[in-house]
Amino acid sequence: GDSVTQMEGPVTLSEEAFLTINCTYTATGYPSLFWYVQYPGEGLQLLLKATKADDKGSNKGFEATYRKETTSFHLEKGSVQVSDSAVYFCAASDGGGADGLTFGKGTHLIIQP
Amino acid sequence: KAGVTQTPRYLIKTRGQQVTLSCSPISGHRSVSWYQQTPGQGLQFLFEYFSETQRNKGNFPGRFSGRQFSNSRSEMNVSTLELGDSALYLCASSLESSYNSPLHFGNGTRLTVT
Repeated sequence: GDSVTQMEGPVTLSEEAFLTINCTYTATGYPSLFWYVQYPGEGLQLLLKATKADDKGSNKGFEATYRKETTSFHLEKGSVQVSDSAVYFCAASDGGGADGLTFGKGTHLIIQP
Repeated sequence: KAGVTQTPRYLIKTRGQQVTLSCSPISGHRSVSWYQQTPGQGLQFLFEYFSETQRNKGNFPGRFSGRQFSNSRSEMNVSTLELGDSALYLCASSLESSYNSPLHFGNGTRLTVT
């Protein structure tokens, strides 16, 4: 089945630093790709998504581009804030959603002022 | 609009017992999915219900079952509990299939099996 691999962290950065969280996937088809975020004390919520190759998802200053050739969907932000501290999950959904979403293990991001 | 509500928040059971968890989706959402979250395995898909029908099922034993009611509320049941069933169980709702619509997660039910 599908699998998603992401750096687990914790990743600690200073405010205004550049952020990259790597995510790669394996899939037999062409999945939709997602980043979900879990802020302290809250449930998981969708951050951004991309449904086909070369699509770029963006939200709240975060971006990720669906790269079929490298099977990657890396999350980036140019200048992080303390409020971005959270756990970030990369996820893939196969065609038709037969197996639900396949999630990575999550990356705990800590932003220091 | 109220979010996804899961009850109870915490449960402690002993091996061999059974447990039922409840999930109320966001109003208007027709799909409910369940996930198990553990430190070792991360988030794993259990099943998805859409309009009272199980649409998909993950790789879990038959002890794990669920159902969805006509008002889209869903329950999952775990019978003959094992220590390894200790986990955070997350429910998520979406307008349509989880493939096409973003998932909205509840805060989960923390199950501890002793």
